[in-house]
Amino acid sequence: DIQMTQSPSTVSASVGDRVTITCRASQSVTTWLAWYQQKPGKAPKLLIYAASHLEDGVPSRFSGSGSGTVFTLTISSLQPDDFATYYCQQYNTYLTFGQGTKVESK
Amino acid sequence: QVQLQESGPGLVKPSQTLSLTCIVSTGSISSGGNFWTWVRQHPGKGLEWIGYIYYSGSTSYNPTLKSRVTISMDTSKNQFSLTLRSVTAADTAVYYCAREGDGEGIGYWGQGTLVTVSS
Repeated sequence: DIQMTQSPSTVSASVGDRVTITCRASQSVTTWLAWYQQKPGKAPKLLIYAASHLEDGVPSRFSGSGSGTVFTLTISSLQPDDFATYYCQQYNTYLTFGQGTKVESK
Repeated sequence: QVQLQESGPGLVKPSQTLSLTCIVSTGSISSGGNFWTWVRQHPGKGLEWIGYIYYSGSTSYNPTLKSRVTISMDTSKNQFSLTLRSVTAADTAVYYCAREGDGEGIGYWGQGTLVTVSS
């Protein structure tokens, strides 16, 4: 099965910072990769699908890139509402999530 | 706007069967291109895909759970269901039903329901 590894596990950042999260797959998932944001007690929210496609209604400060085995989620200018946990997920073979990256206030 | 709502018991005894239903509002679950999905999240942990049923009725399951899981759909009630047999404390989690669009990620989620396995 395909393993997804995110780094770092925690990011300490301030409002306005550029934040980058990396997701690595144990084998190629081509571009079948999604990113989600989750806040405590809430369901995940889809941000990016097919590696780089922004879901409708998601602010343009979020962007995704990559293909094959290495992907990144970038928040260009962190906003107060962005403090949350972020997950990558491959859907090339079954579905597998990364372990999550918590973005916390510095 | 698609809305999903999980229902079922919040407490299940060890060795018994966990059964949850997801009611889908707006749109037919038998319309094309959607994967009706179950995901769970152990307390304080990450997300785990359980499986899905395609609009056509075909299913796919997480290999680690496959021997214990069945996902079915009832098109007359516009709902789909999860059955997890022989549960243990390790199955205690928040269970989400969701809709994955074809190639588009999981765009719609229920609010989640906590199921505790305990005697």
